[in-house]
Amino acid sequence: DGGITQSPKYLFRKEGQNVTLSCEQNLNHDAMYWYRQDPGQGLRLIYYSQIVNDFQKGDIAEGYSVSREKKESFPLTVTSAQKNPTAFYLCASSSWSRTETQYFGPGTRLLVL
Amino acid sequence: KNQVEQSPQSLIILEGKNCTLQCNYTVSPFSNLRWYKQDTGRGPVSLTIMTFSENTKSNGRYTATLDADTKQSSLHITASQLSDSASYICVVSVRNYGGSQGNLIFGKGTKLSVKP
Repeated sequence: DGGITQSPKYLFRKEGQNVTLSCEQNLNHDAMYWYRQDPGQGLRLIYYSQIVNDFQKGDIAEGYSVSREKKESFPLTVTSAQKNPTAFYLCASSSWSRTETQYFGPGTRLLVL
Repeated sequence: KNQVEQSPQSLIILEGKNCTLQCNYTVSPFSNLRWYKQDTGRGPVSLTIMTFSENTKSNGRYTATLDADTKQSSLHITASQLSDSASYICVVSVRNYGGSQGNLIFGKGTKLSVKP
C-alpha cells in the first residue's frame, strides 16, 4: 500500500445520495488518479490530476467529481447521477506522468443499499 | 485501437510448480510494459517494468519477458507459493510525444490460484 491511504475500506450508498471517497498520499507525488475496477474488467480511469487545482476527465468520468486543493489529497465524490456505482475504487499516484510507475492505495469497496 | 489481452483468464496450479502468464498487446507508440500483482481486495503492486530494449527482467521468483517484435510479454513464476495466489495485471504505456500526456492500457488480468 506504500504511502497512499484510502478510506473508508467499505462504503454504503443509499439511493440519491452523494458519497465521498478519501485518498491521501505522502509520497510527494504530483500526479494522482482514480480508477474503477469491476469483476472481469481491467481498471478504468475516472479522473486524474497532474497538479494542484487542475484535473482531467478520464474514460468514465460521468457521475463522478473530484477536487485537488492540496498536493496530498484527491477526494472522489460519487454523485447520485452515477447509476451503477457498485465497484472497487482505487486511488493511485505517480511522480508526474501517467506513464510513470503508479503506486496504488488499498482501495474502497462501494456498495449500494 | 490500443488493447491488451491476457491469457489465461484464470489458472490453478499446485504449490511448488512453475507457471507462465501471457500478455499480448496492440499499443502504439509503445513506451513500456509493467506487470502488477493484485491480492484480493487490495491495490495492485508493481512487479516489473520493461522498456522497448529490454527483453528479460527478474524480481525474485518472477521473471518477465518482452518480445517487442511480436508484441508479446510473459510472466513466469518459479516454485510457486500459496502467497502467489492473486491477479496479475499487464499494463502497457502509450508513449508521450508531441505534447501528448501518454496513457496506460490495462489488461483484465489473470487470476492465479496456488493450491497446497
